[in-house]
Amino acid sequence: GAGVSQSPSNKVTEKGKDVELRCDPISGHTALYWYRQSLGQGLEFLIYFQGNSAPDKSGLPSDRFSAERTGGSVSTLTIQRTQQEDSAVYLCASSPEGGDSYEQYFGPGTRLTVT
Amino acid sequence: AQSVTQLDSHVSVSEGTPVLLRCNYSSSYSPSLFWYVQHPNKGLQLLLKYTSAATLVKGINGFEAEFKKSETSFHLTKPSAHMSDAAEYFCVFTSGTYKYIFGTGTRLKVLA
Repeated sequence: GAGVSQSPSNKVTEKGKDVELRCDPISGHTALYWYRQSLGQGLEFLIYFQGNSAPDKSGLPSDRFSAERTGGSVSTLTIQRTQQEDSAVYLCASSPEGGDSYEQYFGPGTRLTVT
Repeated sequence: AQSVTQLDSHVSVSEGTPVLLRCNYSSSYSPSLFWYVQHPNKGLQLLLKYTSAATLVKGINGFEAEFKKSETSFHLTKPSAHMSDAAEYFCVFTSGTYKYIFGTGTRLKVLA
């Protein structure tokens, strides 16, 4: 079956512009996660969705970052007024439910470069 | 504090020789532990997971890991390395929550 997909695969943007990153989880997965992978910081948790609700936004680095999920499926991560330190690979993952025994299935990521 | 430590940032082995990638965790509660592999420009792929069942866990591509509570370790092994195993490997920890805590990664290089 189809895995987690993300678009675009690469995004180059100018400092100060807004960007939207999209994630399509595996069908039927109720839990969805965003992570950021950057040099020097490793892999960082950003936000967790259960259905359309985000009970944990603790990893969002600033108020320039926001995310939403609609229809219990597609999620969009939005970064406003991008900064160079936002350059990273943004990974989306989904799992059947949001428990610790459920493995998370990762998408290929979106590589964001802020110039 | 809960954490996971990968003891080696880089490991080099010759093709056909054993692979050992080390991972230690710190937790007051029973952990769930995972190993993921990331090939260049690819997403993370699950190799294996431990969730309080058998302590010796077998995964894909001949990899296995043993959960040792007394040593707080979950090392990844493979008897014979293949060129296609060259990648970055992440040990991942959770404890009673969905939130993955990633190790810093170990880059495996396989020499011909």
